[in-house]
Amino acid sequence: GAGVSQSPSNKVTEKGKDVELRCDPISGHTALYWYRQSLGQGLEFLIYFQGNSAPDKSGLPSDRFSAERTGGSVSTLTIQRTQQEDSAVYLCASSPIAGGPVGELFFGEGSRLTVL
Amino acid sequence: AQTVTQSQPEMSVQEAETVTLSCTYDTSESDYYLFWYKQPPSRQMILVIRQEAYKQQNATENRFSVNFQKAAKSFSLKISDSQLGDAAMYFCAYRGNYGGATNKLIFGTGTLLAVQP
Repeated sequence: GAGVSQSPSNKVTEKGKDVELRCDPISGHTALYWYRQSLGQGLEFLIYFQGNSAPDKSGLPSDRFSAERTGGSVSTLTIQRTQQEDSAVYLCASSPIAGGPVGELFFGEGSRLTVL
Repeated sequence: AQTVTQSQPEMSVQEAETVTLSCTYDTSESDYYLFWYKQPPSRQMILVIRQEAYKQQNATENRFSVNFQKAAKSFSLKISDSQLGDAAMYFCAYRGNYGGATNKLIFGTGTLLAVQP
């Protein structure tokens, strides 16, 4: 597709279970970001990938959160042993050039995670 | 660290009227970008307008314009001739220009705009 694709759109899980969220960026975009949007709050940066460079994991809230990006394209965000406070919308965004002058990020529609 | 503040959690405007959404930010850098994103109920964030800090001229995109006051670190969004389709959550965002480092967007908490027919 032409835009950033995320799956699943909605996920309901039980506390303690592991979940995987998938992001398929726009073809050719080298930069990929994960953000978390909690109710009543702004977007919280989680992790950033740029090409083959080491990812910037500075926003991950705990070691239960991890992400990988295979082949410089698809990314998976994994949350282990989910907690109720993990409930949020997880947004993925891609950008053609991370440090370039454009600055615009292209977002997917997000994955809404509900932890019961 | 950079911060972005949106002090208006909710705003309302009559159709065809003008509304201004406020945003302030804090940074010690001189070169950066500012953005307004719109998030409709579909959840997909859409870029509304972008301002480069080195440009003194305020950016405009059709009915959308900004009032960028660099010294005051203020970046407000004006929507003219409001339409029902403008109803959404609006986020102000900051991005540094570090050239090669993580250029993540730092977002405010958003302003929910309602448009009354």
